[in-house]
This record gives sequence, C-alpha cells and structure tokens, in this order.
Amino acid sequence: AQKITQTQPGMFVQEKEAVTLDCTYDTSDPSYGLFWYKQPSSGEMIFLIYQGSYDQQNATEGRYSLNFQKARKSANLVISASQLGDSAMYFCAMREGDYGNQFYFGTGTSLTVIP
Amino acid sequence: DVKVTQSSRYLVKRTGEKVFLECVQDMDHENMFWYRQDPGLGLRLIYFSYDVKMKEKGDIPEGYSVSREKKERFSLILESASTNQTSMYLCASREGGNNEQFFGPGTRLTVL
Repeated sequence: AQKITQTQPGMFVQEKEAVTLDCTYDTSDPSYGLFWYKQPSSGEMIFLIYQGSYDQQNATEGRYSLNFQKARKSANLVISASQLGDSAMYFCAMREGDYGNQFYFGTGTSLTVIP
Repeated sequence: DVKVTQSSRYLVKRTGEKVFLECVQDMDHENMFWYRQDPGLGLRLIYFSYDVKMKEKGDIPEGYSVSREKKERFSLILESASTNQTSMYLCASREGGNNEQFFGPGTRLTVL
C-alpha cells in the first residue's frame, strides 16, 4: 500500500483565491511527522510546513496551513490568497517513528495559478 | 541558512560508465539522503546515512552504492550506468528529531 497518496495530479486556482491540495497517509505507527514541500520549475525542494502526529492544533506558516484530520489520515495543504509564484509542484511527505529517517513522498500535485 | 550543494546540475554519461554524484552540506547534519525523482513517481529514497561510514538502503538501492567518508559529504555511485537510471537525483540533509530535510538543487542525469 502507498504510504502517501496525492490524488490530484494537477490543479488550477485563480489568483487571490484559496486552494486545498489533498494528501492521505497510511501508517500504523502512533508517532509520525507530516511535511509539505514546494518544487518550483527551478527544481529546488522548499520546505513549507510540518505537522506532528501528537500536535493538537493544525500547523500554520504564513499563507500555508495544514488541515490535519488524524482519524481520516489526511493532511491537506491549504494555500490562502494564491499568488502567481505559488505555481509549482507540491509534495506531501511522511516520516514514521520518533527517530525514523526514512521519508515517504507522494507523487505530487502540480498547481497552476491563473492571473 | 543550510546549504546543500551538488556537484553538477546536468550530467550526460554513457551506458556502462561509472558515475559519481557528490553532495556537500555545511550545517553539520548527521543525516544525509539520496533520492531519485521521476515524473508520476514522486521522490524515491535510494540510500541514506545517519553517520560517517554508516548507510542504510532505501526503497530502490539496486544499481547504486554510496560513500560517506566525511560528515559533510555523501556520494552516490552508479557502478555501471544504465539508461533506466536517467533521472533527477536529489540530495538532502537533516538534523534528527522532527526537523525537515534540506535539499540540494538536484542533478539531472542522462545515460545514453
């Protein structure tokens, strides 16, 4: 079974609108971490936001927030007030265990912001 | 800021050649990683290292080996390059715990 599933290969959003990128995960470990990365066309992976499995509140970083629904095993990324520079690939990733080093990545969602 | 550098942005090699991809990080991170990225497949872990001279296989280690002789440097080696190893290769480093990975700019390798 896939550890991380991103079901939206491509998404479009109007500038200044909000957009939600879906991510579901699969683990039986009670301790894990969830990450979102952005990859612009230049290729560099940029860390956006982190959510720990024991965190009570949803993580937020500026215009990014993570909608963490533990029972549904989902960790959707919400980008508010989209900007043209948000056009990129977005990857969801998970690290299992307290000391684990193996990260599992989804297949990514390509986001295009339309002016 | 953490800086992870990779020796080449673009590399073209011939089938059967031995290929070295170098990665250097400047933040004294213990953990370093090599991924390959292919369209529709996301990032797949090849190998990672949690200390000098220590390494662990990831999901797709076949056809690859690694070397970590110094803490800041992690090398990926393709012993005999094949066309199905044409891909984007990303190196990353991180501290332990819940910290994120920091990625290098990637090396786009083409094997002819």
